[in-house]
Amino acid sequence: DVVLTQSPVSLPVTLGQPASISCRSNQSLVHSDGNTYLNWFQQRPGQSPRRLMYKVSNRDPRVPDRFSGSGSGTDFTLKISRVEAEDVGIYYCMQGTHWPPLTFGGGTKVEIK
Amino acid sequence: EVQLVESGGGLVQPGGSLTLSCAASGFTFSNYEMNWVRQAPGKGLEWVSYISSSGTTKSYTDSVKGRFTVSRDNVKNSLYLHMDSLRAEDTAIYYCARSHSYWGQGTMVTVSS
Repeated sequence: DVVLTQSPVSLPVTLGQPASISCRSNQSLVHSDGNTYLNWFQQRPGQSPRRLMYKVSNRDPRVPDRFSGSGSGTDFTLKISRVEAEDVGIYYCMQGTHWPPLTFGGGTKVEIK
Repeated sequence: EVQLVESGGGLVQPGGSLTLSCAASGFTFSNYEMNWVRQAPGKGLEWVSYISSSGTTKSYTDSVKGRFTVSRDNVKNSLYLHMDSLRAEDTAIYYCARSHSYWGQGTMVTVSS
């Protein structure tokens, strides 16, 4: 199974400052069709997960453009250019290249300093 | 507007059974693959099961194989997860998700004597 390792586990940030979350895979996430099926999810406190990004860098509808995704192969990053209060929550990466099973990273908790 | 509403959760004794339902609206249900994902209290996300749009292809995470059965009714726009031989470690919020993009609010399953 693909193992996704996220870092850091906890990320205290100052409002208006940037934030960066890493997701590393134990194998390449490039599919035989040429796509890389790496998604990012946000889970706000008490809410269900919401997808932010798909196929590494494609933003879902109504996701603010301060969120961006990048990376290739085994290393991926979610960046928030200027953190806002509503960005507090846990962020997960998920791979859909080598499945079953779909696998998730362990999560990164973003909180305001 | 896409809506997914789970129901059927509750308290069940170890070894018992439960069937979860997910009512879909706001999109053509029969066109989409569906997944069940669960989240144990205070823990991360774990994929549980997949079903293709027609219902002919199904997949499960190893820990539930032989105990859980996923199904769908494309006339009733509904997804189901029948769970047998429930264990304490199955205690979690169970989410249905349209592919990976839209998620319901979840239904809580507690397995305890």
